[in-house]
Amino acid sequence: EIVLTQSPATLSLSPGERATLSCRANQSVSSYLAWFQQKPGQAPRLLIYDASNRATGIPVRFSGSGSGTEFTLTISSLEPEDFAVYYCQQRSHWPPITFGQGTRLEIK
Amino acid sequence: EVQLVESGGGLVQPGGSLRLSCASSGFTFSLYDMHWVRQAPGKGLEWVSAIATAGDTYYLASVKGRFTISRENAKNSLFLQMNSLRAEDTAVYYCARGYNWGGLDYWGQGTLVTVSS
Repeated sequence: EIVLTQSPATLSLSPGERATLSCRANQSVSSYLAWFQQKPGQAPRLLIYDASNRATGIPVRFSGSGSGTEFTLTISSLEPEDFAVYYCQQRSHWPPITFGQGTRLEIK
Repeated sequence: EVQLVESGGGLVQPGGSLRLSCASSGFTFSLYDMHWVRQAPGKGLEWVSAIATAGDTYYLASVKGRFTISRENAKNSLFLQMNSLRAEDTAVYYCARGYNWGGLDYWGQGTLVTVSS
């Protein structure tokens, strides 16, 4: 089973700042990694697929990078609606599909 | 517009059964793999099960033998039969559309399953 470890667990930033979220896999997942955003009481929303491709309708301030075992989600300039929990997910080796434990992005 | 609507959740005693449904619209259901993902209260996301277009099924180890995923293409519907439920199965259950073998693009709003006496 592929284990994804996200860091930090919580990130406290202000609107307008740059956010950098990390996801590390315990073995290579090639580029088969996605990022999701989840707000309270809502379903997850796909932001980035295959490490660096923005999903339909996702603003350009969201970008993804990495391959192998190290991945990054960057939000270039935080908007108030970006404060949420973010999960990474791999589809390289499954079952099972696995998710990271999440990073909570909170307003400082 | 892609829509996924889950139903069938509720309160059930340990050892009991529930059948979840997911009604889809806005896309050709038969052409997509479909998944169930759950989220325990205050916790992260956990993949549960998947069914491929050809009907092959896949399960999380802890639910194998207790849960059964199925689909009815004529009715654009996905199901999850859950038997021998345990307290640790308590969660919001989401259905999600698959893409590119293991990707998850569209999600429903979820249905809450509570296993408690």
